[in-house]
Amino acid sequence: EVVMTQSPATLSVSPGETATLSCRASRSVDTDLAWYQQKPGQAPRLLIRAASTRATGIPARFSGSGSGTEFTLSISSLQSEDCAVYYCQQYDKWPQTFGPGTKVDIK
Amino acid sequence: QVQLVESGGGAVQPGGSLRLSCAASGFTFKSYAMHWVRQAPGKGLQWVAVISYDGRIKYYLDSVEGRFTISRDNSMNTLFLEMTSLRPDDTAMYFCAKGDGYMAPFDIWGQGTLVAVSS
Repeated sequence: EVVMTQSPATLSVSPGETATLSCRASRSVDTDLAWYQQKPGQAPRLLIRAASTRATGIPARFSGSGSGTEFTLSISSLQSEDCAVYYCQQYDKWPQTFGPGTKVDIK
Repeated sequence: QVQLVESGGGAVQPGGSLRLSCAASGFTFKSYAMHWVRQAPGKGLQWVAVISYDGRIKYYLDSVEGRFTISRDNSMNTLFLEMTSLRPDDTAMYFCAKGDGYMAPFDIWGQGTLVAVSS
């Protein structure tokens, strides 16, 4: 299976700054890559699909990029409500797999 | 509104069985593949199973193949996961999720139902 890795494990960012999260796939997944946000006690929420397309209702300060094996999620103008764990998911190769997550908190 | 609501979780001994349900509303359930995804306590997400829109095609994570059965009742807008021969490493929050296909991002998630396997 395709192994997804994410870095860093934890990211502390000041309010208003930009958080940059990385996701790497062990093999190319083209642009079949999604990002999710999960807050404590809640289900994950889809943020980005196809590596760079924002899901319905997701603010423009969330942006995704990358292809192949290297992907990035950027959260600009970080707000307290953005504190969460962020997961990447590849859905190019069977079985679809998730990364271990990056926890974002406010510095 | 668009919603998925899981039920049926609980505490069970190793080797036991449980049946999870997921009630869908607010979208055309019968038109979409549906998935189960689990999350062990404090851990990440793991895809478990998928069923086609009409229930004819099913795929499973290797570690649950032969023990878990996914099914659906489109007349009742409900998804199921029959879990047998449960093991302690099956302990997790189980989420149902809607995808655009077998291999697709999940755009709608339920709130989850907790399964705890312990003696």
